[in-house]
Amino acid sequence: DGGITQSPKYLFRKEGQNVTLSCEQNLNHDAMYWYRQDPGQGLRLIYYSQIVNDFQKGDIAEGYSVSREKKESFPLTVTSAQKNPTAFYLCASSTRTGSFYEQYFGPGTRLTVT
Amino acid sequence: AQSVSQHNHHVILSEAASLELGCNYSYGGTVNLFWYVQYPGQHLQLLLKYFSGDPLVKGIKGFEAEFIKSKFSFNLRKPSVQWSDTAEYFCAVNARENFGNEKLTFGTGTRLTIIP
Repeated sequence: DGGITQSPKYLFRKEGQNVTLSCEQNLNHDAMYWYRQDPGQGLRLIYYSQIVNDFQKGDIAEGYSVSREKKESFPLTVTSAQKNPTAFYLCASSTRTGSFYEQYFGPGTRLTVT
Repeated sequence: AQSVSQHNHHVILSEAASLELGCNYSYGGTVNLFWYVQYPGQHLQLLLKYFSGDPLVKGIKGFEAEFIKSKFSFNLRKPSVQWSDTAEYFCAVNARENFGNEKLTFGTGTRLTIIP
């Protein structure tokens, strides 16, 4: 069954700790994305990667880091430098159909930092 | 830079009512436009998309949207809503300057509540 998995569903951390969110896809998609969803603010792009070993900052990259060592995996690290890390984090991947890219989303990880 | 506005933050309708959710974007060039839906407890999923051609696009579950270039709008419509349409709806845009990297910019979302 193809799809995007994010683990864990809920994550709790103490302030000052780094935490890594997992995102795996078996759709053979080249591009992957990380978004942050906050109430009333929609989805905001953190980082994206179009190919292995390459990634670019999105609109709110400060305090986050990523890696793309494998096509299937795009982990996101929320560092202690992120001032407001509590949020719902969504991972997505995309494929090209004709000249159109469609993004598919994972179930998300809700991170709570206290 | 591209941006998207969804002015309706929370819409409450009775079943069988007609629906129109507003979406406006700011970008003067060619765009791809999308509506995504997030049902309670489910993944965000694509409802419909506009890429080119007929400005009236039809999506899943009876939804449609019309691209009006002169108004920079891509409003979502459904003639008769059902309780199962209760969800959060997001409009998104990808501007030509971002073609090739597929950076979507999302609106803030509209929460739709359908009363049985």
